[in-house]
Amino acid sequence: NAGVTQTPKFRVLKTGQSMTLLCAQDMNHEYMYWYRQDPGMGLRLIHYSVGEGTTAKGEVPDGYNVSRLKKQNFLLGLESAAPSQTSVYFCASSSRVEELFFGEGSRLTVL
Amino acid sequence: AQSVSQHNHHVILSEAASLELGCNYSYGGTVNLFWYVQYPGQHLQLLLKYFSGDPLVKGIKGFEAEFIKSKFSFNLRKPSVQWSDTAEYFCAVISSGGYNKLIFGAGTRLAVHP
Repeated sequence: NAGVTQTPKFRVLKTGQSMTLLCAQDMNHEYMYWYRQDPGMGLRLIHYSVGEGTTAKGEVPDGYNVSRLKKQNFLLGLESAAPSQTSVYFCASSSRVEELFFGEGSRLTVL
Repeated sequence: AQSVSQHNHHVILSEAASLELGCNYSYGGTVNLFWYVQYPGQHLQLLLKYFSGDPLVKGIKGFEAEFIKSKFSFNLRKPSVQWSDTAEYFCAVISSGGYNKLIFGAGTRLAVHP
């Protein structure tokens, strides 16, 4: 049972490039989330999804897009990366009444 | 807007010392509270959670937390820390907007020296 899997684990981009982070969960969870973690700021919610085909904005959505075409997958896209998006990105999933389960993180550096 | 405050950003202890990490939240309604731990290079793992009932919550690895509604607090405690407790600790509350969205505190880095 893999839980929550994120790919890639590391990525370096140049300003203006685009990329997609993939999150996959095998727990049949309804809810999925993308957070970013920055030093001294904890984790901040970027976007979330409460079911297949649905997405919603979190606390810091600007510069990111998401899609949830399949229940088990939640994609986070950066259309034009900026240095301010250098961060560690965590995907998480949960059922309606349980705690969040987190992936191992994806470290993104934008030069 | 809801917020979570963790009072200590860095804590340094010797093994066997007692630990208390402070956490205060701003929301006055019904709250669900969590403590997560992140060991170096790893993802966040749940230490303990409070949804309702006994305000003294026991978690894994000897951790406990006490929910004090009148103080809007959910402090984390451990009577005797070990070197392996070196990690970053995050307090979190479920947003009033539902859907299990968590609002995190800034985190507390704990270093335990042998």
